[in-house]
Amino acid sequence: GAGVSQTPSNKVTEKGKYVELRCDPISGHTALYWYRQSLGQGPEFLIYFQGTGAADDSGLPNDRFFAVRPEGSVSTLKIQRTERGDSAVYLCASSPLAGDTGELFFGEGSRLTVL
Amino acid sequence: GNSVTQMEGPVTLSEEAFLTINCTYTATGYPSLFWYVQYPGEGLQLLLKATKADDKGSNKGFEATYRKETTSFHLEKGSVQVSDSAVYFCALSANTGNQFYFGTGTSLTVIP
Repeated sequence: GAGVSQTPSNKVTEKGKYVELRCDPISGHTALYWYRQSLGQGPEFLIYFQGTGAADDSGLPNDRFFAVRPEGSVSTLKIQRTERGDSAVYLCASSPLAGDTGELFFGEGSRLTVL
Repeated sequence: GNSVTQMEGPVTLSEEAFLTINCTYTATGYPSLFWYVQYPGEGLQLLLKATKADDKGSNKGFEATYRKETTSFHLEKGSVQVSDSAVYFCALSANTGNQFYFGTGTSLTVIP
């Protein structure tokens, strides 16, 4: 389809392991966002890309979290030394124009469970 | 700072009942305001938006008016349907557009 695609849809890992979550945005969208949604909460901002560069990474909780978007399209969120508190649904969204206050187009999310 | 507070759920209504979900915000500058909806098993999708004071967003029978004086953006629908059962999120975007701030979500269940 033409929507935002996220893989894997579900990931179960053990505490201390490394995890990568992938987001394939809508073709041509320059802005890409990562959010984290814990149970019963709204999406919490992590990082925002404008093209290839991270324009705002102020939401990343600590240095175990890192995200890249090397060619300005697909993005990968990387989590090192996972902790049980990292368990959440990780949402990716894209938007046509960087810095625009218009609509975000969300993927269905990657559910991460850290045992 | 920027934040959104919305009415806690869950909300259960009978079909054709009137719906209000309250949302208030705190923001620096002049934000845009949104309602997103998440149907079971699907990703969040935009329901409606308003970009300046006194604007009314509307879609699928839902409405919300951007009230700067009360810093509110309450969601309303005159007659809900079973298919409206979903989680509704109020959100704002600061004028830089870099971040969207979401409320905690309100779960709505409509029973026949």
